[in-house]
Amino acid sequence: QQQVKQSPQSLIVQKGGISIINCAYENTAFDYFPWYQQFPGKGPALLIAIRPDVSEKKEGRFTISFNKSAKQFSLHIMDSQPGDSATYFCAASIAGAQKLVFGQGTRLTINP
Amino acid sequence: EAQVTQNPRYLITVTGKKLTVTCSQNMNHEYMSWYRQDPGLGLRQIYYSMNVEVTDKGDVPEGYKVSRKEKRNFPLILESPSPNQTSLYFCASSFDRAYTDTQYFGPGTRLTVL
Repeated sequence: QQQVKQSPQSLIVQKGGISIINCAYENTAFDYFPWYQQFPGKGPALLIAIRPDVSEKKEGRFTISFNKSAKQFSLHIMDSQPGDSATYFCAASIAGAQKLVFGQGTRLTINP
Repeated sequence: EAQVTQNPRYLITVTGKKLTVTCSQNMNHEYMSWYRQDPGLGLRQIYYSMNVEVTDKGDVPEGYKVSRKEKRNFPLILESPSPNQTSLYFCASSFDRAYTDTQYFGPGTRLTVL
């Protein structure tokens, strides 16, 4: 059973536009939500993460928005650049658990 | 350079032929983990290890074995590979077991079982 559902599977955005990737979770015990970025031929790397005690976290052009009541969180990439083209994974974990539960991934393409 | 290394990077094998994918990290991390990545399914954890000689099953452990005899190494063993184990495999490590700790991933091993 997929505990974290990610959409869309693929996304094409024009350079300079806003990329938005959404995730929904079921388990209300999740309390840490990271996003990982993966370039072709590479392993995923942590991009940004949020705890549910805040509704938004921003790092440069990347922002996580978190809606605890709706059990949803999203990644916004402002002023998207061709170098942002990658696969993005949302994830969730629980205190005391020893694993991350990943979403299905979104392949983002930024057209120049 | 701090890193997680995996070998081999690519492997084509036949059903039933035992194989081992090695994983090594030079960051003195306690926690190590193996994932498989499949289209439409994301990353799923196979096994993890919280320290030397301590391993436990993840979400999809069937058909896999692991060992942790040294802190830096965490090999993944497929005793009798089958075609449904064709996948992209990643090893990851983190400093400790804290659930908020960043996981550092290796470059991946693409396995094809014929």
